[in-house]
Amino acid sequence: DAKTTQPPSMDCAEGRAANLPCNHSTISGNEYVYWYRQIHSQGPQYIIHGLKNNETNEMASLIITEDRKSSTLILPHATLRDTAVYYCIVISGTASKLTFGTGTRLQVTL
Amino acid sequence: GAGVSQSPRYKVAKRGQDVALRCDPISGHVSLFWYQQALGQGPEFLTYFQNEAQLDKSGLPSDRFFAERPEGSVSTLKIQRTQQEDSAVYLCASRPYRSLTDNEQFFGPGTRLTVL
Repeated sequence: DAKTTQPPSMDCAEGRAANLPCNHSTISGNEYVYWYRQIHSQGPQYIIHGLKNNETNEMASLIITEDRKSSTLILPHATLRDTAVYYCIVISGTASKLTFGTGTRLQVTL
Repeated sequence: GAGVSQSPRYKVAKRGQDVALRCDPISGHVSLFWYQQALGQGPEFLTYFQNEAQLDKSGLPSDRFFAERPEGSVSTLKIQRTQQEDSAVYLCASRPYRSLTDNEQFFGPGTRLTVL
């Protein structure tokens, strides 16, 4: 699976959009981009995933660049409950195990 | 509905003791995963079951670690002769079916193991 690079930490004001970047320059054609988050003392939680098209669900939007070498997770209106570590994971369709890395610690502040 | 549950939530063991960690996946979920998370790190894969078959155990750090899922539902992770480096949170996840386009895994709250 391709390696991902994320900033170690980010801050965001409550009510504003949080834009979390992820670089995955070695991604191959059959690999998907997944985002999970982990709130303190809880297990990871699935957020969203995509292959090459932008995706949106009730939690977030995922923007994947045309060359697929990077992506951005967007939380449109961050709340204090969105404070967590966010993991960007690249995984092929045939694989099963998730490789988490160290993620981005997002701190949402008042 | 009920999510993935794990027990115990906290376990303290003396070095050399054996421990058993239990995972109850979401009912009907075919796949079950175990991950280990050291303090300040992301989770790391240990092993994967599809029904009762253990398809991948490449992440188990040593032969002291053993996992089973005999009836394709509940799973137990056993660690023999625990060492201090085994101290971590052990996470269990389940997935409803095998799909090439959907790898959403549902995680339990974890068991925090402390080896003294």
